Amino acid sequence: EAGVAQSPRYKIIEKRQSVAFWCNPISGHATLYWYQQILGQGPKLLIQFQNNGVVDDSQLPKDRFSAERLKGVDSTLKIQPAKLEDSAVYLCASSLRGNHYEQYFGPGTRLTVT
Amino acid sequence: SQQGEEDPQALSIQEGENATMNCSYKTSINNLQWYRQNSGRGLVHLILIRSNEREKHSGRLRVTLDTSKKSSSLLITASRAADTASYFCATDAWDSNYQLIWGAGTKLIIKP
Repeated sequence: EAGVAQSPRYKIIEKRQSVAFWCNPISGHATLYWYQQILGQGPKLLIQFQNNGVVDDSQLPKDRFSAERLKGVDSTLKIQPAKLEDSAVYLCASSLRGNHYEQYFGPGTRLTVT
Repeated sequence: SQQGEEDPQALSIQEGENATMNCSYKTSINNLQWYRQNSGRGLVHLILIRSNEREKHSGRLRVTLDTSKKSSSLLITASRAADTASYFCATDAWDSNYQLIWGAGTKLIIKP
């Protein structure tokens, strides 16, 4: 079975620029997650979708971050404008039906903001 | 808010030895999961243990859960170079809306 796909794998931008990440979850997985992982820390949940609805976005900095999951399949995460502290790895994960099940992670996008 | 904390932060052992990592958490949980992260394969799920379970095995991995002490341990037996990675515990609890809360991880290095 194909895993979670993410693109791009690496991105370097200057502060105040915008950037978008794409994720395609495992087929049939209803739940999709975006995490931010700063070097040396565990992942931090940014937003969780159940099908195409938002379940939790309490830790998403909504003044600069936005995400959507059209048609309940793939998803995009956007940052506009980027700040230096947004430098991190952005991980997308999916699970069959929510938090009580294991999550499958994509390879991540390493973002560097200069 | 940080729910799980792994201990130790870093661990270096010889290949063939056993490695034990611990995770402590603060509030009652529904389940606890262990994940491994290395540069080659990214973040990979290892074991999920539910709050009513005390021990689970998967190959060379053994996980225990003590809900009275709010702690879990991950034992890797007969370690291999490929086990070099960071290991994270993640818990879900009713007071975090069952979102997975992750610790900072234990960095395990297996020396040949």
